[in-house]
This record gives sequence, structure tokens and C-alpha cells, in this order.
Amino acid sequence: SQQGEEDPQALSIQEGENATMNCSYKTSINNLQWYRQNSGRGLVHLILIRSNEREKHSGRLRVTLDTSKKSSSLLITASRAADTASYFCATDAGSNYQLIWGAGTKLIIKP
Amino acid sequence: KAGVTQTPRYLIKTRGQQVTLSCSPISGHRSVSWYQQTPGQGLQFLFEYFSETQRNKGNFPGRFSGRQFSNSRSEMNVSTLELGDSALYLCASSLVGAGSQETQYFGPGTRLLVL
Repeated sequence: SQQGEEDPQALSIQEGENATMNCSYKTSINNLQWYRQNSGRGLVHLILIRSNEREKHSGRLRVTLDTSKKSSSLLITASRAADTASYFCATDAGSNYQLIWGAGTKLIIKP
Repeated sequence: KAGVTQTPRYLIKTRGQQVTLSCSPISGHRSVSWYQQTPGQGLQFLFEYFSETQRNKGNFPGRFSGRQFSNSRSEMNVSTLELGDSALYLCASSLVGAGSQETQYFGPGTRLLVL
């Protein structure tokens, strides 16, 4: 079942602009992760934020988590063509050894 | 350290046939998860194995099965293939498994086309 829902489904911006993607989920979580997938290939882990954290940074990435609203956002600053990919959020809602995935946001960076 | 490898990378089968996909996790990782990814359904969890035991299973019919060997390598099998089984099958490995605040490391996937 899908717990997370990414918004928007697709996003097209100019190179150099900032890209923001949102993820909403339904149940309480222990942590939330963001992954990137380039054109039908394997997913690559970007960042993990724990339920007791509100914000986390990694290079040009900034993730926020609002557990009261059950939502997270991923901000990519100064976007590059290489950022063109699909971005997925995944939540860990318990100890059943399963991540619950959102449907993803397809990001296109125009040169 | 070598990444997660999946074989074969591409596969074409016909309806009714069966298929076996293989996944070799990162050395030292004992948890392997399998996912089916389709454009319409996103990433769907199939099952997770740890130390040769299936710990969790998604909502897929019994035609989908898997196993894990003592060296942590895993295989999944789909019998009596249907057109709807056409998808990208991804495996991911981690040290002890999702739910432990671990990163999952994904393989490149096996793209299965059922004709």
C-alpha cells in the first residue's frame, strides 16, 4: 500500500532555480527517507530524517519534517541538469521490515 | 565495496512461462527486499528476507515467491507469467533491514517484459 503521496507529480524548472517537492503520509513514523531514481534505474538514497528532527541538510538538499501535519518537503537549491530524475519519499512506520513508498515526483531541469 | 547486483538486467518472456531473478547484496548485508515498479502503481513491496527467513510479504499473489541463501544472495520467482507482470523489479539490501533507520541500497533492476 502507498503511505506517502508526493506533490507535485511532475515539476519542470530552469537550471539554477530551486525545486521543492512535498510528501505526505498517513500514519506515525520513525523516520522518513528521500531517494532519487534516474530514468528507470535503481534508487539512490539521498537523506534520512528521524521523527524527532525538524530539518536536515546535505549539500544542496534541505529536508524538513512536520510530524503534526504528517508531511515532509525536499528542497534542491541551484538545480542542475543532472538533478533531472524522479524523487521518492519512503517512510518507516514500524518494525515490520518494510518501507512504504510514495508515487514519486518527476523533476525535469531545463538547460 | 561492490554494490548490489541484479541479473539478468533485461528479460523477455511469454505469458504462462516462469522467471527467476537474482540479487546479490552488498557484502555483509543480510537483509534483501524486493520491489515491483510499474508506471501506474509506483514502487510496490514484494517481500523481505533476512538470514534466509522471509520476515514480511506484500500483497502479491502466490505466483510471486522468493528465497534467500546462506550467503545472503536472493532469488525471486514468478510463475505463470501474466502481461501485468511486466515491470522493473528492484532489490535492495541493508545490514539489518528497513525499519531500523538504515539506508537501503538498490540494484539497477531487472526489466521484465511479458508478451
